Amino acid sequence: EAGVVQSPRYKIIEKKQPVAFWCNPISGHNTLYWYRQNLGQGPELLIRYENEEAVDDSQLPKDRFSAERLKGVDSTLKIQPAELGDSAVYLCASSLWRGDGNEQFFGPGTRLTVL
Amino acid sequence: AQSVTQPDIHITVSEGASLELRCNYSYGATPYLFWYVQSPGQGLQLLLKYFSGDTLVQGIKGFEAEFKRSQSSFNLRKPSVHWSDAAEYFCAVGLMEYGNKLVFGAGTILRVKS
Repeated sequence: EAGVVQSPRYKIIEKKQPVAFWCNPISGHNTLYWYRQNLGQGPELLIRYENEEAVDDSQLPKDRFSAERLKGVDSTLKIQPAELGDSAVYLCASSLWRGDGNEQFFGPGTRLTVL
Repeated sequence: AQSVTQPDIHITVSEGASLELRCNYSYGATPYLFWYVQSPGQGLQLLLKYFSGDTLVQGIKGFEAEFKRSQSSFNLRKPSVHWSDAAEYFCAVGLMEYGNKLVFGAGTILRVKS
């Protein structure tokens, strides 16, 4: 079974530039998560999708971040414009929501460096 | 507020020695608890999880963890560490009322010396 796929793996951009990250979850997983992991910290949830619906985006900085999950499969996370503080690893995870303690499977992440 | 504390930022153990990584959580309801491992440049891999039942759970790679409700702890153990266990370990609590949103600790970096 293929795991969660993310691209690109690394991205270096100048501040104020836009950037986008792509995630392909495990086939059949209806729940998709985006986390941000700052250096030396654990991941923090940015947004959670149930199928196509963003059901928890309370931690997403909406002034510059946006996300979409068309057709309830792949997802894209965008930052526009990027700031120095956005340098982090962006992790995508997916799960099959069963309503009780479902396991999340993580992709390798995209390491973003904003100069 | 829900939180997870991993008191040790770094731990160094000798190969073949036993290991215990500490994790304490703050959560009002019965927790779902997880341990993940992250190698450099890799995503998070689930080692083990606790949902209910037996408080001693077995995971992959010879790891186990024990849930102690009275101490709000979920410590990870391994009887004999291998050099390949060097990585960063994260404890997390799953918030069921928020769709199993995971709240992670800051992680513990494990170094293994030969």
